[in-house]
Amino acid sequence: AQTVTQSQPEMSVQEAETVTLSCTYDTSESDYYLFWYKQPPSRQMILVIRQEAYKQQNATENRFSVNFQKAAKSFSLKISDSQLGDAAMYFCAYRSALGRGSTLGRLYFGRGTQLTVWP
Amino acid sequence: EPEVTQTPSHQVTQMGQEVILRCVPISNHLYFYWYRQILGQKVEFLVSFYNNEISEKSEIFDDQFSVERPDGSNFTLKIRSTKLEDSAMYFCASSADRFAYGYTFGSGTRLTVV
Repeated sequence: AQTVTQSQPEMSVQEAETVTLSCTYDTSESDYYLFWYKQPPSRQMILVIRQEAYKQQNATENRFSVNFQKAAKSFSLKISDSQLGDAAMYFCAYRSALGRGSTLGRLYFGRGTQLTVWP
Repeated sequence: EPEVTQTPSHQVTQMGQEVILRCVPISNHLYFYWYRQILGQKVEFLVSFYNNEISEKSEIFDDQFSVERPDGSNFTLKIRSTKLEDSAMYFCASSADRFAYGYTFGSGTRLTVV
């Protein structure tokens, strides 16, 4: 099974500064999707950004961008101009795009990184 | 923006009781999922559901669990005889198709087994 590792249980950043959250994954597949989800105190899972493995260009969504290194199996999330509302648990997740149809939908999550934003 | 709706938001039940967690997926979505998150731990896949049958289930999804789409709009997770270790946040999710980039999660049901 695929594994997703987030080595930083906690991170903190000053408001308006930039922070990078790390994620590595292990897979033998060549085609897959990677995601970052945000979970605020309300516990809802909110999709922040996604990356298709076949695309070399790093995904960007406003202040959120990723650094996708396929050979290194690394997928970090950069949050620029951090805001108080960015404080949340962030989960990295993997989803296969190949193989048996029944496994296409399953997400594999890392353990999460708790981000604190200081004013 | 369309939402996945889960009810109740919090359920307390006694050990051994049956519980049904309810979800209303986004109306044009065809793939449905349940995940759970034990407090402080990672989010874990339970089951995926398509075309009125289970597509995949994890090792967690044993005979105590079942899913159903009884009326074309609701998607339910039933736990037949709850155990203390079933206490967790349960998330429902849906997607338009299997190639969707990501899917939409509901806000979760916190299940507490006492």
